[in-house]
Amino acid sequence: QVQLVQSGAEVKKPGASVRVSCKASGYTFSTYAMHWVRQAPGQRLEWMGWINAGNGNTKYSQKFLDRVTFTRDTSASTAYMELSSLRSEDTAVYYCAKEGDILTGYVYWGQGTPVTVSS
Amino acid sequence: SYELTQPPSVSVSPGQTARITCSGDALPKHYGYWYQQRPGQAPLLVIYKDSERPSGIPERFSGSSSGTTVTLTITGVQAEDEADYYCQSADSSGTSVVFGGGTKLTVL
Repeated sequence: QVQLVQSGAEVKKPGASVRVSCKASGYTFSTYAMHWVRQAPGQRLEWMGWINAGNGNTKYSQKFLDRVTFTRDTSASTAYMELSSLRSEDTAVYYCAKEGDILTGYVYWGQGTPVTVSS
Repeated sequence: SYELTQPPSVSVSPGQTARITCSGDALPKHYGYWYQQRPGQAPLLVIYKDSERPSGIPERFSGSSSGTTVTLTITGVQAEDEADYYCQSADSSGTSVVFGGGTKLTVL
């Protein structure tokens, strides 16, 4: 069965960077894009973008265009999200998510990685 | 930037029908999706492509679309349905994903 397992909670100081990993299993990793979504405390889900796990192409939300980088390691079936120049407003749970198939929506989600930005 | 608009809250008694709406100008062009999120949990897809139900989702969950609005209907609401519900779609270009603000469903 498809599983997305994310790295553990992080605490960072303002101005630092954070990298969150998402290890996939149960399917051919390079066949699907991996999306990243975050949720600040009490706030809505917020789409950050996606990475094509096959060719590495990326699409970033305009909001994060200058601060986020998605990468992947196909040999490890793992996707990564790095967010730089952290500020307190980046305190959130970060999720990786995957569609079941084309236009099926996010069927599979990681468990979420809490990131706290605090001085 | 493009937004999807949901009511902040909906309240119903057990056994009644709950309807949650989501409005957006690009909804006639792109499918709507619905997610249920309980506290401390990752979202769960309950409706895709406006009205399709994933396997394992109870039949009481249904979706519909009309013009610039998609609607999630829960028929015969149960206590376990109390959660936040988010709609999701794409912006007018179809290249960016957008989520609604979320609706808290309270089962009285």
